[in-house]
Amino acid sequence: AQSVTQLGSHVSVSEGALVLLRCNYSSSVPPYLFWYVQYPNQGLQLLLKYTTGATLVKGINGFEAEFKKSETSFHLTKPSAHMSDAAEYFCAVSARHSGGGADGLTFGKGTHLIIQP
Amino acid sequence: EPEVTQTPSHQVTQMGQEVILRCVPISNHLYFYWYRQILGQKVEFLVSFYNNEISEKSEIFDDQFSVERPDGSNFTLKIRSTKLEDSAMYFCASSDRAGGSPLHFGNGTRLTVT
Repeated sequence: AQSVTQLGSHVSVSEGALVLLRCNYSSSVPPYLFWYVQYPNQGLQLLLKYTTGATLVKGINGFEAEFKKSETSFHLTKPSAHMSDAAEYFCAVSARHSGGGADGLTFGKGTHLIIQP
Repeated sequence: EPEVTQTPSHQVTQMGQEVILRCVPISNHLYFYWYRQILGQKVEFLVSFYNNEISEKSEIFDDQFSVERPDGSNFTLKIRSTKLEDSAMYFCASSDRAGGSPLHFGNGTRLTVT
C-alpha cells in the first residue's frame, strides 16, 4: 500500500518569497510522483511529475520538485511567489509495476497556499 | 489543448435517487478514472477503467456505484441510490497510457444529495 503525507494544511508566504510545500510518501517500491494544483472551482491541473531520470524536475509556472529517495520526499518549491499561485496543491503517487491496467493515484490531503501581498 | 469535459457542473438530487455523472475523456486516451473530493477533504480514488473493464477500485466504490463506457466517447459514473454522504465533487480523469502517464482531470461535477 502507498500513502502520501503533506505537512501543513495551510502555508502562507509573502509575495516574492520562497515557496516550499512538503510531501513525503510511503511505498514498497519507488513510485511515480506528481504535483497537481487546484484553483477555486476548477479541476486538478498537473504541475510536474517524476517518473525516472533526473531527480530535479521542472514544471509549469516556475515550480520544481526534487525526488529524494533516501528521504522518501518530493517537496515542491518556487523561488518567488506570485499572487496567482494562491491555490490548493496536491502531491500524488502511483504504483510502479509492470503489466497493463490503469493505475490509480493516491493523493495527499492537500496544502492551501496563501500569498500575502 | 484537448480537455476532459464533465456534465453537469452541479447536480442536486434527493436521497435514494439514482444519478449519472457524465464525462467525455480526451479522445485518444485509453485509461479512465473517477475520483471524488468531499468538501474540505482530500481527493479520493474511486475506480479506474481500461479495455472496457474495471482495472482497480477502492473501498469507497461499493455496489451502489457502477461505471460504463456506453459508446466511444462517454464515460459515466452511476450511483444507484444516493446517500447524504455521497455529496462531493466528482472528478473524471483520463490518460493515454499507464505507468506514470499524468492524468488529465475534468473540472468536476458537484453532487449535492438532500
